[in-house]
Amino acid sequence: DQQVKQNSPSLSVQEGRISILNCDYTNSMFDYFLWYKKYPAEGPTFLISISSIKDKNEDGRFTVFLNKSAKHLSLHIVPSQPGDSAVYFCAASSGGFQKLVFGTGTRLLVSP
Amino acid sequence: DTAVSQTPKYLVTQMGNDKSIKCEQNLGHDTMYWYKQDSKKFLKIMFSYNNKELIINETVPNRFSPKSPDKAHLNLHINSLELGDSAVYFCASSQGSRTDTQYFGPGTRLTVL
Repeated sequence: DQQVKQNSPSLSVQEGRISILNCDYTNSMFDYFLWYKKYPAEGPTFLISISSIKDKNEDGRFTVFLNKSAKHLSLHIVPSQPGDSAVYFCAASSGGFQKLVFGTGTRLLVSP
Repeated sequence: DTAVSQTPKYLVTQMGNDKSIKCEQNLGHDTMYWYKQDSKKFLKIMFSYNNKELIINETVPNRFSPKSPDKAHLNLHINSLELGDSAVYFCASSQGSRTDTQYFGPGTRLTVL
């Protein structure tokens, strides 16, 4: 039973354009959401997060949007750069401990 | 300096063997985690320790036993290895509160033949 889903396994975008990565969740108890980025042969690195009391959080080129009623969040990268090419994981948590539930990832390729 | 390190990076072994993966963090964090990323790239938490105490223990075969000798180390011992144990295992650490960032190690790729 996959509680966090990333239905697009891959996304290709041209440099300078917007990248939009999507994530859906089923557990209504989730109240904290994160995006991690992963390069080959490395561990995931934290990118940006959002609490369920917000619907948007921005950090430089990265913005995360949360739609609680639709149980959907998205990551916008503007403008996309070739160095953004990586696998992006959506994650969610609830409760007192930081038990992250990850999606299966979306591979982003930004071409020059 | 590497914040979260794991050894070994690659581990190839035969079915039935016992092996250990070591993890160390130099961030002064209170909480450490083990995750498994299987062949479908699904990253799933296995265990978490806070101040050397087990706080998260997912449905993992009891052939897997984590050991935390101190706050900076969390090792994973696996008995009687099976083919299905082949995966990438990631260690992570955080300060422990709900919104603290988890920092991941580079992963250990375990291949069971």
